[in-house]
Amino acid sequence: GAGVSQSPRYKVAKRGQDVALRCDPISGHVSLFWYQQALGQGPEFLTYFQNEAQLDKSGLPSDRFFAERPEGSVSTLKIQRTQQEDSAVYLCASSPSVADEQFFGPGTRLTVL
Amino acid sequence: AQSVTQLGSHVSVSEGALVLLRCNYSSSVPPYLFWYVQYPNQGLQLLLKYTTGATLVKGINGFEAEFKKSETSFHLTKPSAHMSDAAEYFCAVRANAGGTSYGKLTFGQGTILTVHP
Repeated sequence: GAGVSQSPRYKVAKRGQDVALRCDPISGHVSLFWYQQALGQGPEFLTYFQNEAQLDKSGLPSDRFFAERPEGSVSTLKIQRTQQEDSAVYLCASSPSVADEQFFGPGTRLTVL
Repeated sequence: AQSVTQLGSHVSVSEGALVLLRCNYSSSVPPYLFWYVQYPNQGLQLLLKYTTGATLVKGINGFEAEFKKSETSFHLTKPSAHMSDAAEYFCAVRANAGGTSYGKLTFGQGTILTVHP
């Protein structure tokens, strides 16, 4: 079956631009997570959804970061007024429930010039 | 609060040699522990996990890890390295109790494994 997919795979933005990153989780997975992986670092938690409810957004680094999952399936991570420090790989993961194994997508590599 | 420390950002072994990747964790509650592997331009793949029960956990591709509570460690081993094992490996911890951060994974900084002929 299809795994977690993310688009675009690569995104180059000029500083100050807004970007939107998409995550298509595995069908039927209730839980969805976003992580940020800076170069040479491990992934860091950004936010978590259970269905359409955003239950934890403690990892979002600033109010320029916004995530949504309006119908409990596809999720979008939006970054407004991008800055160079936003350059990273953004990983999405989904799981059947919060207690289950998380399945990761390939990530979106964002480069802010 | 939880944290993970992976000792050694780079490990190099010969093909056929023992692989040992070190992971120590800190957790205020009993943890669930994970090892993930990441190949270039790919997402993370779960190698193995410890939740409860047997402290020696076997995973895919011949890897195993032992949970040692007294040492707060969860080191990853493989008896004989293969060229295809070359990748980056991440140790992660997750709280096993409820709460809004229940599912959140906290990762170490990763260890790049190089296997040379």
